[in-house]
Amino acid sequence: QKEVEQDPGPLSVPEGAIVSLNCTYSNSAFQYFMWYRQYSRKGPELLMYTYSSGNKEDGRFTAQVDKSSKYISLFIRDSQPSDSATYLCAMRGNYQLIWGAGTKLIIKP
Amino acid sequence: NAGVTQTPKFRVLKTGQSMTLLCAQDMNHEYMYWYRQDPGMGLRLIHYSVGEGTTAKGEVPDGYNVSRLKKQNFLLGLESAAPSQTSVYFCASSYRTSSTDTQYFGPGTRLTVL
Repeated sequence: QKEVEQDPGPLSVPEGAIVSLNCTYSNSAFQYFMWYRQYSRKGPELLMYTYSSGNKEDGRFTAQVDKSSKYISLFIRDSQPSDSATYLCAMRGNYQLIWGAGTKLIIKP
Repeated sequence: NAGVTQTPKFRVLKTGQSMTLLCAQDMNHEYMYWYRQDPGMGLRLIHYSVGEGTTAKGEVPDGYNVSRLKKQNFLLGLESAAPSQTSVYFCASSYRTSSTDTQYFGPGTRLTVL
């Protein structure tokens, strides 16, 4: 079993919809959680960074951590075609990040 | 401020050939990483470095070697390329503290081994 599980998708939704992306993890020691966004043929870029449990909001994006369930989520409100990308979750390990496989998101105009 | 750059952007090799991928960063980061990304597999760590002169193995190190002679550069070598090494290779660097670890990625190198 992988330390971090993420559905690869693709997830296709109409423009304006609320999108929910999720990861589950097995190591209860993880405390720092990240979401990266990767456009086609580009390197990943940090989107959001959260510590421990709770919510963090940045514009149309909300990151949520539920440590009791070992589950993290990224919500995108009012989704736009420009949000079409692969979203990767990552968790901070000892010397490295532990990555999910990434979910490909497609926003249809 | 170029961030993280990778050379070359594309390469085609024949089985058994060797090559070196160069990664350079101008952010004075201590930590550097080499990943490969294959469809459906996400990012897999090949090797990483926690400072100049140091290297360590990641998840999939076999068939690769690395060197970090200068803080700003991290080289990835393939001594005898195999078709299984066909992939997109990403380099990243980070400034890691007790509470942060933002990795900055290069644009990637697309390698095909025939």
